[in-house]
Amino acid sequence: EDQVTQSPEALRLQEGESSSLNCSYTVSGLRGLFWYRQDPGKGPEFLFTLYSAGEEKEKERLKATLTKKESFLHITAPKPEDSATYLCAVQATGQNFVFGPGTRLSVLP
Amino acid sequence: EAQVTQNPRYLITVTGKKLTVTCSQNMNHEYMSWYRQDPGLGLRQIYYSMNVEVTDKGDVPEGYKVSRKEKRNFPLILESPSPNQTSLYFCASGQSGNTIYFGEGSWLTVV
Repeated sequence: EDQVTQSPEALRLQEGESSSLNCSYTVSGLRGLFWYRQDPGKGPEFLFTLYSAGEEKEKERLKATLTKKESFLHITAPKPEDSATYLCAVQATGQNFVFGPGTRLSVLP
Repeated sequence: EAQVTQNPRYLITVTGKKLTVTCSQNMNHEYMSWYRQDPGLGLRQIYYSMNVEVTDKGDVPEGYKVSRKEKRNFPLILESPSPNQTSLYFCASGQSGNTIYFGEGSWLTVV
């Protein structure tokens, strides 16, 4: 059965303090790994798609990387507006999308 | 503009009164899905559909029904709502191997 776990469950950072969020997955035949950002009461907003081990994607202060068993979302010099829940999801070929439980990030000024 | 549209956005209803939350997408996506989100519990999948006339149960299907008679629509039906179905509901659509897009959410309160 496809599974996704995320750690830590919650993370508090000072503004400018870089860190990484982890997404570990078990899936047969990965078709894609997806990162989303979700603000309270809003629908998840797409950030990145990664398709194969070794791939990296960047957007502003965020960088996503992928290995065969996990993905990392690196946040460089975060700002308070980066505070949100970050969700990871995987899809196997022809299968359902499976979401992890998310990491709640708080960036303090 | 690519959109996933849910209606209603906000609804207060009474226990046992059947209701339908509609979901429509204009991107010709094969995949559609319904989630509920409760405080501290993250996204939980209710039902999903890989294509027209194909639906499968997610993690929490009890008390819900869906249908996928046409590609663009995936309504969520609560035949006899109960207070434990009070939640924020999201519809999503996508293509296999590509990202899925979420609607804005529907706040449902059952009293």
